[in-house]
Amino acid sequence: IVMTQSPDSLAVSLGERATINCKSSQSVKNFLAWYQQQPGQPPKLLFYWASARESGVPDRFIGSGSGTDFTLTISSLQAEDVAVYYCQQYYSSPPAFGQGTRLEIK
Amino acid sequence: EVQLVESGGGLVQPGGSLRLSCAASGFTFSSYEMNWVRQAPGKGLEWVSYISSSGGTIYYGDSVKGRFTISRDNAKNSLYLQMNSLRVEDTAVYYCAREKGGKYIFDYWGQGTEVTVSS
Repeated sequence: IVMTQSPDSLAVSLGERATINCKSSQSVKNFLAWYQQQPGQPPKLLFYWASARESGVPDRFIGSGSGTDFTLTISSLQAEDVAVYYCQQYYSSPPAFGQGTRLEIK
Repeated sequence: EVQLVESGGGLVQPGGSLRLSCAASGFTFSSYEMNWVRQAPGKGLEWVSYISSSGGTIYYGDSVKGRFTISRDNAKNSLYLQMNSLRVEDTAVYYCAREKGGKYIFDYWGQGTEVTVSS
């Protein structure tokens, strides 16, 4: 299964909404996770089962979607949200990541 | 506090070998499936290998199958990756990652250890 994210990079003003899309080459139902990788850090789990927020993740982060189309939304961008975001399917082996979306401040 | 600390990375020539280790603490290591995930310089994430909690089930990505061997020692709370016949394209930061709920959901990651394969 191939995971494709769009856009590759995104610049959003502080306080504005950021939306990152993830599309799978075949249905993964809701077997979809999102990770945030801040500069120089390992990835951090944000969501699993497409919309289940990991403990400690701020509620401005929202995961949605099912089947082949998924979305990660940040409702009001904060400076600390600058990172690369990855989606990952775990419906079938091998688990596969999207190429990443780089989020910056405009 | 869950901690995963990788070690063993370094510079190695093509065709060489390295053994990575991941020391786990802050949780019952023997109850969790574990994985290795790598990230080439400036690139995205690539799953490398999986091992079940008992060590009885193991999977590899196609790019490392036959060259890498994952193992664990539950008595020592440690995960390992033996890497043989290394190639330039194996250059990456290697992360050990704990699974959540046994479903390739990676809820904790180490800081990574850097492997450089170059002549």
